[in-house]
Amino acid sequence: EVQLVQSGAEVKKPGATVKISCKASGYTFTDYYSHWVRQAPGKGLEWMGLVDPEDGKAIYAERFRGRVTITADTSTDTAYMELSSLRSEDTATYYCTTNYTAWGQGTLVTVSP
Amino acid sequence: SYELTQPSSVSVSPGQTARITCSGDVLAKKYSRWFQQKPGQAPVLLIYKDNERPSGIPERFSGSSSGTTVTLTITGAQVEDEADYYCYSASDTDRRMFGAGTKLTVL
Repeated sequence: EVQLVQSGAEVKKPGATVKISCKASGYTFTDYYSHWVRQAPGKGLEWMGLVDPEDGKAIYAERFRGRVTITADTSTDTAYMELSSLRSEDTATYYCTTNYTAWGQGTLVTVSP
Repeated sequence: SYELTQPSSVSVSPGQTARITCSGDVLAKKYSRWFQQKPGQAPVLLIYKDNERPSGIPERFSGSSSGTTVTLTITGAQVEDEADYYCYSASDTDRRMFGAGTKLTVL
C-alpha cells in the first residue's frame, strides 16, 4: 500500500523558514515525481512545485520561486519542502502527493506573531 | 494565458446530471485531471488524461475535452457527491496549476 507520512504541525513567526518532510513507502520512490500542494483556510488548492527523485530536478510555481526549495532524499525515500520568509498568508495546510493518487495527511503551518 | 477557469458553484437535485466546466488555453495542448475534495480531507483524483478514471472511482464520474474546455460530468449525482471539485493541468514549462474550484451542491 502506498503511504505518504508528513511531519507534524508547525507554528512559525513571520520571516522564519519552515521545512516539512514527506516519508514515502509502498512504491519505488524514484518512479514518480513528488509534488507539494497547499490550501489556505477556506481557499482552493495551490500547486507549489515538484521534485523528480531520480535526478533531484525541481520545478516551482512562479509565485514561490526564490522562497521555496523542494528536495528528495533517496536514501530515506523522503521528500522535503522548505518555504522561507514566511508571512501570515502562508498559513495553510501543506500536502505532498505522488502521482496525485496518494496524498500525505497534510501539515498545518501557522504563521503568527 | 496560463489560467484555468471554473464556475464557483453548481447546484443539482439528486439523480440529475451535474456538469462542471474548466477552460484555459493550455487545455488544447495538455491533459487535464479532476479532483474531488470534501471538508477536512485530502483531494481524491477522479479523472486523469481528460477522460480516464482511476480504479475505484464510480462510473458516474466522467471527463471530456473539447478544444480549450474540459468538462467533468456526474451522471445521477448523489448527495454524497457534494464537495469541491478542481480541474488541473500543466503549462508548456511543465508548471502545474489548479482551477479555483467549484462547489457542487446536491439537494
